Amino acid sequence: SAVISQKPSRDICQRGTSLTIQCQVDSQVTMMFWYRQQPGQSLTLIATANQGSEATYESGFVIDKFPISRPNLTFSTLTVSNMSPEDSSIYLCSVVEQGVVGTGELFFGEGSRLTVL
Amino acid sequence: AQSVAQPEDQVNVAEGNPLTVKCTYSVSGNPYLFWYVQYPNRGLQFLLKYITGDNLVKGSYGFEAEFNKSQTSFHLKKPSALVSDSALYFCAVRDPSGGSYIPTFGRGTSLIVHP
Repeated sequence: SAVISQKPSRDICQRGTSLTIQCQVDSQVTMMFWYRQQPGQSLTLIATANQGSEATYESGFVIDKFPISRPNLTFSTLTVSNMSPEDSSIYLCSVVEQGVVGTGELFFGEGSRLTVL
Repeated sequence: AQSVAQPEDQVNVAEGNPLTVKCTYSVSGNPYLFWYVQYPNRGLQFLLKYITGDNLVKGSYGFEAEFNKSQTSFHLKKPSALVSDSALYFCAVRDPSGGSYIPTFGRGTSLIVHP
């Protein structure tokens, strides 16, 4: 399976600042997603990162708050903008590998643990 | 629409005993079903999947899951639990007839294996 690297693994940020999370995959993948996991809760899909075009956001998430880039088939970034303590979460990059697009099992990075003070 | 339920927030089991983590689903067609595990301070790891075929699916770390269409369930099982199995387990479902590649995740079940 693909190896997915996320940076940073954790960070502590001040209210009002922005943080960019990077996701690097060691092979070309068809689909990339960004999820949020708030403390003690399940995964919530933020958006699908589309290669070469604007991301597709889920209800409740907007581009101004969570801008996403995907310049190629192996890399994506998620920015959390103008952070507040409510943004404290684990942010997870996830991919669907080209060989399993039909079944669609996801592979995840290790996550980026964000604490906003 | 696709949905999945994990009725237990937490499951406690003694080491060496069998374990079951429950999952039920709802889809309009035939489901694709998945189990993932999240160890502390780690991302999610894929454990196993059911797409079609044999109702008993075997996965990583000695886990297996049984697909039961009549009960719309996909319970995760292991014959003998290890302390190292203690983690958060997520069930997920995808309805391939729905046209989306995105699964729906359950809320997770915390498995605690006592020595």
